[in-house]
Amino acid sequence: AQTVTQSQPEMSVQEAETVTLSCTYDTSESDYYLFWYKQPPSRQMILVIRQEAYKQQNATENRFSVNFQKAAKSFSLKISDSQLGDAAMYFCAYRTQGGSEKLVFGKGTKLTVNP
Amino acid sequence: DGGITQSPKYLFRKEGQNVTLSCEQNLNHDAMYWYRQDPGQGLRLIYYSQIVNDFQKGDIAEGYSVSREKKESFPLTVTSAQKNPTAFYLCASSLLGSDAPGETQYFGPGTRLLVL
Repeated sequence: AQTVTQSQPEMSVQEAETVTLSCTYDTSESDYYLFWYKQPPSRQMILVIRQEAYKQQNATENRFSVNFQKAAKSFSLKISDSQLGDAAMYFCAYRTQGGSEKLVFGKGTKLTVNP
Repeated sequence: DGGITQSPKYLFRKEGQNVTLSCEQNLNHDAMYWYRQDPGQGLRLIYYSQIVNDFQKGDIAEGYSVSREKKESFPLTVTSAQKNPTAFYLCASSLLGSDAPGETQYFGPGTRLLVL
């Protein structure tokens, strides 16, 4: 069974600085998708970024970028120029391509942004 | 405005009572999902549906039931058989197929269920 591990329960960063959140996963599949979701205090899950496993190029979305290391099964999220509004729980998630619809989530990392 | 709506925002259940959580989407998405979130945990899949009148159990379906009579709607009933229903419930939807990269799931605002 696929598993997703986020080893940092909490992280903090100074406003305008850069922070990296870690995620590792375990799978025997070769084709899959990886996601980072943000859950602010409102508790709605918001998609931050998506990576297709067949793409070697790391995904970027404005201040958010990933470091996808397929062989190491690692998928970290880098937030540049951190803003107060980035404070939230961040969840890493995995989905097999095709077949089961299930998203497998990690337990999350709580990010605090200090002014 | 396209999106996913969930109601109510808060719901209280008495012992032995069935309650129904509403989820509606106007995104014309094919698939819909129900997840449960407990404190300090990630999300776990309860049920999902890829097409009207069809749905599949997820990892924690016991004590829950669903229906999919319309493409836009996927209500979740928490039955009295669910002994620990206090949690945050999130509904999601996605397009399916090759035109939907990753078949990315988008989430509603959630319903908080509390047991009296």
